[in-house]
Amino acid sequence: GEKVEQHESTLSVREGDSAVINCTYTDTASSYFPWYKQEAGKSLHFVIDIRSNVDRKQSQRLTVLLDKKAKRFSLHITATQPEDSAIYFCAAISGSFNKLTFGAGTRLAVCP
Amino acid sequence: ETAVFQTPNYHVTQVGNEVSFNCKQTLGHDTMYWYKQDSKKLLKIMFSYNNKQLIVNETVPRRFSPQSSDKAHLNLRIKSVEPEDSAVYLCASSLTGVRDERLFFGHGTKLSVL
Repeated sequence: GEKVEQHESTLSVREGDSAVINCTYTDTASSYFPWYKQEAGKSLHFVIDIRSNVDRKQSQRLTVLLDKKAKRFSLHITATQPEDSAIYFCAAISGSFNKLTFGAGTRLAVCP
Repeated sequence: ETAVFQTPNYHVTQVGNEVSFNCKQTLGHDTMYWYKQDSKKLLKIMFSYNNKQLIVNETVPRRFSPQSSDKAHLNLRIKSVEPEDSAVYLCASSLTGVRDERLFFGHGTKLSVL
């Protein structure tokens, strides 16, 4: 089955700097890669996704890059703010059902 | 705004007891899920139901059983809890359950097994 590895377990940046979180996956058939955010004491909510027919997607301060050859995708957050502090989970879908395989999470701390 | 509701928020019990968790979604979605999040924040899918029918059943111990009365409700019963069942159980829903859909999560039920 699919395995998703999230490379940074923790990441600390200064407010205003950029943050990058990297993930790799194993199944070449994977075609959908969402990112979810979990703030302290709260549940997960969707932030951005990318499908395999594109290699870049941007939504305001968030950009996702996908390198299908390397089976790697990444989340870039520009101009970080304290409210970006959270655990970010990458995920991938392969197979016919909406069954997500999650990475282990990256705890992002944005320091003033 | 929360649209996937889970009860209880917390549950403390002893080894061997039976527990039940409830989940209800008000989004009109066809598919609901149970995920387990362990103490290291690792997330694993347990079950997925589409319109009351089981469509994904991961390798979970047989003491876990999902129950769905209609497409808006998906409960989880654990027949005889073990210490390793201590975790946060997250319920989620998606519109149709076909692949590439956004999931909407509840706030979770934290289970502590003493």
